[in-house]
Amino acid sequence: GNSVTQMEGPVTLSEEAFLTINCTYTATGYPSLFWYVQYPGEGLQLLLKATKADDKGSNKGFEATYRKETTSFHLEKGSVQVSDSAVYFCALSGNYGGSQGNLIFGKGTKLSVKP
Amino acid sequence: KAGVTQTPRYLIKTRGQQVTLSCSPISGHRSVSWYQQTPGQGLQFLFEYFSETQRNKGNFPGRFSGRQFSNSRSEMNVSTLELGDSALYLCASSLEQGGTKNIQYFGAGTRLSVL
Repeated sequence: GNSVTQMEGPVTLSEEAFLTINCTYTATGYPSLFWYVQYPGEGLQLLLKATKADDKGSNKGFEATYRKETTSFHLEKGSVQVSDSAVYFCALSGNYGGSQGNLIFGKGTKLSVKP
Repeated sequence: KAGVTQTPRYLIKTRGQQVTLSCSPISGHRSVSWYQQTPGQGLQFLFEYFSETQRNKGNFPGRFSGRQFSNSRSEMNVSTLELGDSALYLCASSLEQGGTKNIQYFGAGTRLSVL
């Protein structure tokens, strides 16, 4: 079945460091891919998305490129801030030919950024 | 425009009781999905509703049920609560039914504690 694997956390970085959170997926067909972020005590917020191969999603300095050849959707940011501390989830759409509105999530990666 | 609203934010129940959680989607959104988030299992899909019909269901026992009303508001019910049902329950709404490109917007969740 479809699945998402993302790197284990927690990840601790100093402010202005470079961030990479790895995400790979297993799926048949062409799912859409997403990164969601969850701040403490809150629900999930969509960070960025990509709907087809080679698409690059970007938002708030974060980027991820849909790589079909490596089945990956790694999240990157050139210079992290303390306010980026959160849990990041990689996800794919559960069904891309039909009507199923479910997302399949990775386990999440907790990021802590120190001043 | 108001976001996805979930009530209540916190609930404490005892084993064997039942509970009902409520979700009001973003105005105009017709699809509502529910997810369970636990430290051990991560985010897992429960079910999706569209136009008052359950369109997809995750791998949860029949104690978990839901419904959607004509105004797109949704409720989920858990009967005969077990300790393992303690979790954050997240509701997400989207404009259309499933699909690969629909963005799901999440509420802040209801944290259920079963004692």
